[in-house]
This record gives sequence, structure tokens and C-alpha cells, in this order.
Amino acid sequence: RKEVEQDPGPFNVPEGATVAFNCTYSNSASQSFFWYRQDCRKEPKLLMSVYSSGNEDGRFTAQLNRASQYISLLIRDSKLSDSATYLCVVNPGGGTSYGKLTFGQGTILTVHP
Amino acid sequence: ETGVTQSPTHLIKTRGQQVTLRCSSQSGHNTVSWYQQALGQGPQFIFQYYREEENGRGNFPPRFSGLQFPNYSSELNVNALELDDSALYLCASSRASGAYNEQFFGPGTRLTVL
Repeated sequence: RKEVEQDPGPFNVPEGATVAFNCTYSNSASQSFFWYRQDCRKEPKLLMSVYSSGNEDGRFTAQLNRASQYISLLIRDSKLSDSATYLCVVNPGGGTSYGKLTFGQGTILTVHP
Repeated sequence: ETGVTQSPTHLIKTRGQQVTLRCSSQSGHNTVSWYQQALGQGPQFIFQYYREEENGRGNFPPRFSGLQFPNYSSELNVNALELDDSALYLCASSRASGAYNEQFFGPGTRLTVL
């Protein structure tokens, strides 16, 4: 089983749509969770951290369910500029793993006019 | 821009050769992590350097090695290149090595092994 699993998509949605991405992780002791965005042939950039209480940043809402080892990202009112690959990222923490970010395969989103 | 720089941008090598990739961390950051991203995949952790010492390693063979310098810049060395080493190599710097420290990525070096 992969440490972090995501539906690779692609997701093709019209502008203004709401789209949700899901992710599961295998290490129940994981300490921190993130969503990164990666544009074509560019480096990943942090979109938002994910907290157990859920957090929102404008049109983006992230949720973490530790019991189910499940992370989600909701994008409302999609824009053309949201087209990118969305990477679910987990930091297992602890011991020598402090700095190790474990990435999912990424979910490709294309927003069309 | 993150302030993390990498060189070179692109590189073409042949099987069996050796390569050195370089990374300059963002000002104020003492930790550098290296990742390999194959086409269509998420980045895979290679190793991390904290204050010039290796501080964690992923599932990569010993022919992948690294260094961190007193100014916290870093090198990734790969010996005996194989075709499967063709990938985007990303470095990321952070203020410290803890789980909650945001890692800022450089633009990457795209390595092609022929």
C-alpha cells in the first residue's frame, strides 16, 4: 500500500464549479498534513496546511480526519487559474523522519471556460 | 519566488556517468531536503541535511549522496547513472528540520540520462 494515495484524475470542470479531492495516508502516527499545488513543469508550492479542526482560505477548504486517515480539499467557484496538479502531502514526523515530506501521486485539475 | 535556487536547470548525461546538482537555500534556512520527481509521479524524498549532517534518508541507494556546506547550500551527487534516474530533482529549504516547518522548493534540475 502506498503511504499517501490520491485519485490521479484528471478532473475536468467548468469555471464556477465546486470540486473535491480526497487523499488517504497509511501512517497513523503522521504529524502534519499539507496540500501543495504544482503547475506544469514548475516546483510544488504550499497551498495550505491541514488541521484537524478544518481550515479555510478563501475558496479553498481543507479537512483532516485522523481516525479515518483521510484528507480532503474542496475548491469552490473554480477559476481557470486553478488548473494545476494538487499534491496531498504528509509529514510522518518523529525520529529521523522529521523532514520527510511524503507526497501522493497528485491529482490533475483542468478548469475550462 | 521562494529564494531557493538550483543549478543547472537542465542536464543530459549518459549511463554510468556521475552528476552533481546544487542548491542554495533561502536566507535564514538551515535545512535542505532533496526530492526526486519522475514524470507523472509525486516527489520522492531522497534525504535531508540539517546543519551539515544527514538527518534522514529515503529509500535510495548509496550512489545517491549529498553534502551541506557551512552557508547551508547543498549538493546532491549521483554516481553510476541509470536510465531510471531521469527525473526532476527538487531541493527544498526550511528554517529547521521539524515536522511543522514549511519547506520551500526551488525550481528543480531536470536530469535526462541517455
